[in-house]
Amino acid sequence: GENVEQHPSTLSVQEGDSAVIKCTYSDSASNYFPWYKQELGKGPQLIIDIRSNVGEKKDQRIAVTLNKTAKHFSLHITETQPEDSAVYFCAASKSGNTPLVFGKGTRLSVIA
Amino acid sequence: GAGVSQSPSNKVTEKGKDVELRCDPISGHTALYWYRQSLGQGLEFLIYFQGNSAPDKSGLPSDRFSAERTGGSVSTLTIQRTQQEDSAVYLCASSLWFPRTLAGVGNEQFFGPGTRLTVL
Repeated sequence: GENVEQHPSTLSVQEGDSAVIKCTYSDSASNYFPWYKQELGKGPQLIIDIRSNVGEKKDQRIAVTLNKTAKHFSLHITETQPEDSAVYFCAASKSGNTPLVFGKGTRLSVIA
Repeated sequence: GAGVSQSPSNKVTEKGKDVELRCDPISGHTALYWYRQSLGQGLEFLIYFQGNSAPDKSGLPSDRFSAERTGGSVSTLTIQRTQQEDSAVYLCASSLWFPRTLAGVGNEQFFGPGTRLTVL
């Protein structure tokens, strides 16, 4: 089955700097890759996703890139703010309507 | 509009007791998923419902776990004879269903706040 590896497990950045989180997946049939942000005591919140027919997607300060050949995808957050501090999860599935396989998460701390 | 809701938000039970966790999906979402998040771990898939199709139970860790979805909406996850290793946050998610998933939109999974289960 699918296996998703996520790095780093923790990441500290200064406010205003960029943060990059990387994930790799094993199943070449996977074609949907969402990213979730989870704050303490809350459920995961979908922040951006990408499908295999595109290589990059942006939404304001957040961007995701996908390299299907290498089976890896990354989350980029620019101009980080303290409110970006949370745990971020990447995931993969064969479509948006099948169960997601998640990475172990990255705890991002933005230091003011 | 209202998001996915789950109840209770917290549940403390004694080892060996049965528990029921409830999920109310977003109105109109025909797909419903249960995941489990253990301390320090990622999210682990448990079971998936889509419309009137037979559920995908491939993620259930043992036969003590079961789930049902009545009327295509509300779902209940039941854990029988709870064990301490069942302690976790149980998350429910829902999504729309589109057959052409590669090019389509709207089939993103939206999560509820979770139920924190503690088995003493």
